[in-house]
Amino acid sequence: DTAVSQTPKYLVTQMGNDKSIKCEQNLGHDTMYWYKQDSKKFLKIMFSYNNKELIINETVPNRFSPKSPDKAHLNLHINSLELGDSAVYFCASSQDGWGFGGTEAFFGQGTRLTVV
Amino acid sequence: KQEVTQIPAALSVPEGENLVLNCSFTDSAIYNLQWFRQDPGKGLTSLLLIQSSQREQTSGRLNASLDKSSGRSTLYIAASQPGDSATYLCSIIQGAQKLVFGQGTRLTINP
Repeated sequence: DTAVSQTPKYLVTQMGNDKSIKCEQNLGHDTMYWYKQDSKKFLKIMFSYNNKELIINETVPNRFSPKSPDKAHLNLHINSLELGDSAVYFCASSQDGWGFGGTEAFFGQGTRLTVV
Repeated sequence: KQEVTQIPAALSVPEGENLVLNCSFTDSAIYNLQWFRQDPGKGLTSLLLIQSSQREQTSGRLNASLDKSSGRSTLYIAASQPGDSATYLCSIIQGAQKLVFGQGTRLTINP
């Protein structure tokens, strides 16, 4: 009964390919996020969605397109993959994304993307 | 722009010692602060959440404090164990659904 689950866990692909990473949360949260952790282990937000609506797009190239079919899912599609896209991508969710009250964020296990 | 800094970047201590990890942030207009641990190759596990109106939170051997006015938080780990070895991440929760992370402190507890 994993709270936030991502698939796949590992993804190796060639430059120029298009790939997707799926994320699902069973916590009933309203807000979901995508974070990128680079080779220096620095975590940085990419997107956040609240009830299927995009709230944050943190200057991410438009090759990255999140899709939220419902508030329990936030998938990340990446077009024309580049070497620099290699990183670990984390999905997360929280109940009250506006930050009022006890907003606690829960993270998935990460997807390690390697572009060769 | 919020910046979060964690000191030290790495720490190695013998088992049984008490230790403190530090986190500082530049913008005191925060909602909450959340501490996580990350094990190698794994995701983030939430440890403690401190709301902006609180000064500390405790969970077992962990105690986190928050001083908004000085832009600081500390994570205190009592009686450290080898299983505490991990990277500890401090994150600031600001408005508009955004966590801003420090670069982490890599902690090693030696048996």
